[in-house]
Amino acid sequence: DAEITQSPRHKITETGRQVTLACHQTWNHNNMFWYRQDLGHGLRLIHYSYGVQDTNKGEVSDGYSVSRSNTEDLPLTLESAASSQTSVYFCASSAGQNNSPLHFGNGTRLTVT
Amino acid sequence: GIQVEQSPPDLILQEGANSTLRCNFSDSVNNLQWFHQNPWGQLINLFYIPSGTKQNGRLSATTVATERYSLLYISSSQTTDSGVYFCASNTGNQFYFGTGTSLTVIP
Repeated sequence: DAEITQSPRHKITETGRQVTLACHQTWNHNNMFWYRQDLGHGLRLIHYSYGVQDTNKGEVSDGYSVSRSNTEDLPLTLESAASSQTSVYFCASSAGQNNSPLHFGNGTRLTVT
Repeated sequence: GIQVEQSPPDLILQEGANSTLRCNFSDSVNNLQWFHQNPWGQLINLFYIPSGTKQNGRLSATTVATERYSLLYISSSQTTDSGVYFCASNTGNQFYFGTGTSLTVIP
């Protein structure tokens, strides 16, 4: 079965370090998304991509970057981790047509100390 | 973007009770999905329902696109139904989420 795999599941890092969260999907989807989930804020969009070499900023993109070198992967990088970036991060994908559902990975819990 | 509102924000049920969760959206959409976030944090697809009615076991969903709302029905609730229920709508390739309904089912 197709799936979205996120790694690591849990990560603890120190303020100022660079961190990369991996997302790999086997759906062969064009669209990929990164969200963060915090209490009181629901799911907020960080970055998204509509295809290889395409990346776009979401509503909370400051301090994050992504790259899309192939269809399957959209790694999320925190350039210099801050305590405000402690959160649960979800990767998602969709086929790209107007009527295609969204599928989520299992999330990565990141703690910045 | 599209505004998505869910109600109620919190719900506590006795096991075996029925419930209805509502999702209102502010504009025409191509797609409406319902997700269940279980206590382990996983986001599970429940329904992809841009219009009409679908049923899956004890759960069913109805979307009335012309009136811009969707309903999720849970019948004979079980403790495993606890968690947060999100609806999401999209226009084009962008998805917009509600803030969820937190459901607790008490044995």
